[in-house]
Amino acid sequence: GAVVSQHPSRVICKSGTSVKIECRSLDFQATTMFWYRQFPKQSLMLMATSNEGSKATYEQGVEKDKFLINHASLTLSTLTVTSAHPEDSSFYICSVGQGPNTEAFFGQGTRLTVV
Amino acid sequence: QKEVEQDPGPLSVPEGAIVSLNCTYSNSAFQYFMWYRQYSRKGPELLMYTYSSGNKEDGRFTAQVDKSSKYISLFIRDSQPSDSATYLCAMSEGGKLIFGQGTELSVKP
Repeated sequence: GAVVSQHPSRVICKSGTSVKIECRSLDFQATTMFWYRQFPKQSLMLMATSNEGSKATYEQGVEKDKFLINHASLTLSTLTVTSAHPEDSSFYICSVGQGPNTEAFFGQGTRLTVV
Repeated sequence: QKEVEQDPGPLSVPEGAIVSLNCTYSNSAFQYFMWYRQYSRKGPELLMYTYSSGNKEDGRFTAQVDKSSKYISLFIRDSQPSDSATYLCAMSEGGKLIFGQGTELSVKP
């Protein structure tokens, strides 16, 4: 399966600041990556689909101006949480797949805590 | 009604037991089904991937899909304490994954 590296694994930031999370596909070129959010004891909720070279597609209810996604290369997608607030504290996870309806492989996740 | 329903547990079993985890779904368009294992504070790890009704076996794990009943299962034989984790079912719709709530499993030595 694909190897996905996510960085950082944990970050604490002050309210009002921005945080960038990186997702790298290490062993194949990913035209599409997915960003999920997971609250404690809850399932993964898709936030957005990151498309290489074009704008990301956001799920309903996800603020695109708050969660900025950049997919500038076939191996790297970034998620920037802008003007973070305590309610943005969560576990953020990216995934890559080798095509529609194939298995998805996940990064290690990033635990964001906004204080 | 959620598209994918999964009993959140928690489920506690003794070591060596057979574990049965289940999900039901409502969208008959789902064609691809996956089971993931997630340890605390880690990303999900793919266990099984199936795309048709029937059984698929991999070591101690067996995935079962019944499309007519919209029901999928994961069986773990000879469960080990290291199997203690949250198990998530997922279904693919056009490349997007729809997850169940996850079942928290604890295997006691």
